[in-house]
Formats: sequence, structure tokens, C-alpha cells
Amino acid sequence: AQKVTQAQTEISVVEKEDVTLDCVYETRDTTYYLFWYKQPPSGELVFLIRRNSFDEQNEISGRYSWNFQKSTSSFNFTITASQVVDSAVYFCALSEAQTGANNLFFGTGTRLTVIP
Amino acid sequence: DAGVIQSPRHEVTEMGQEVTLRCKPISGHDYLFWYRQTMMRGLELLIYFNNNVPIDDSGMPEDRFSAKMPNASFSTLKIQPSEPRDSAVYFCASSFPGGWTDTQYFGPGTRLTVL
Repeated sequence: AQKVTQAQTEISVVEKEDVTLDCVYETRDTTYYLFWYKQPPSGELVFLIRRNSFDEQNEISGRYSWNFQKSTSSFNFTITASQVVDSAVYFCALSEAQTGANNLFFGTGTRLTVIP
Repeated sequence: DAGVIQSPRHEVTEMGQEVTLRCKPISGHDYLFWYRQTMMRGLELLIYFNNNVPIDDSGMPEDRFSAKMPNASFSTLKIQPSEPRDSAVYFCASSFPGGWTDTQYFGPGTRLTVL
């Protein structure tokens, strides 16, 4: 079974619109970490954020915000006032204590296109 | 500070040839990972090292693939002989000491095309 599900394959928005990328995860472990990475058209993978399972506080960084809800096993990512430079594929990922160190399970990614 | 460095950035080779991909992790990181990204299978972990020792190579697809880490600042992923189905982007990543909670930082990737 997929440990990380990103149901939105592709999203297109017009510049300045807000957009939320969904991530649903599955784990039986009580100790785990969640991540978001960005892959722009240039191809590199850029780390955006890491959250641990004991910290459900939402986080805001500039135009980016993350909503972590254990009750729904979700870790959604919102971009406010989107810009063309936000166009990229965004990956959500999970690591669990029970499957050992450093085993990152990636979702299939959401391709975001911001139209000028 | 320099990030993870990979070379070459692009590699085009013919089926049957040997291919060697190179990675320099971030200084001070003692975990190093090799991933492969394809449209069909997404991002897959191939192998990872801790303090230059291979810990888990269960993701290596077959014997044609091998990886080494002769020292803390260098690793190679070799494919011999290469096949068209090996065409993919190969990423190297590294993480800080301290165990599994630490964040993996990725290199720019090597795009491999096997004709």
C-alpha cells in the first residue's frame, strides 16, 4: 500500500491565486517525520520542510504554509499568492522509525503550473 | 557552503557500456544515499551508506549495479553493462550525523540516457 498519497497529479492556477497541495500518509508508527520537497524544471530536489509526529503546530514561511493534522493523517501545503517561480513538482515524503533510519517514502508528486 | 555535488550532470551512452556516476556529499554528513527517478516508478532508494559502509542495498535493481564509498567525501554508482531501461535521473543525497530524523539534502542529479 502507498505510504504517501498525493492524489492531485497536476494543478494549474493563475498567478496570485492561492493553492493547496494535498498529502495523505499511512503509518502505524507513532514516531515519524514528514517532508516536502520541491523539484523545479531544472530538476534538482529542494528541501522545504520537515515535521515530526509529535509537533502538530502549523508552520508558515513567507508565502508557504503547512497544515499537519494527525487525525486525518494529512500534511497539506499551501502557497499563498502563487508566482510563476512556484511552478514545479512537489513531493511529500515520510520516514518512520520502524522501517529504519533514512528510509524516505515519497509520494508520486503534484505538478503545479502557475500561469502568468 | 557547497551542497551535494554530482557529476556528470548528463550522460548519454550506448547499451552495453559501463557508466559511472559520482557524488560528493556535504562535508560532515555521514549518511549518503543513491536514488533513481523514473516516470514509471517515481523516486526509488537504491542504496545508502553510513560512515562509508553500505547499510541497505535492497533497492539495487540487479547485479549490474554497484556502489562504493571509498571515503567520506566520495561515492560512485556504477552500471555495467548499461541497458536502455536504466535511463533515469540518478540522485545522490546526504544527511547530518544524528540518525534517522535528519533531513536528506539532494544533489542536482545525473540524467542518464542509454541508447
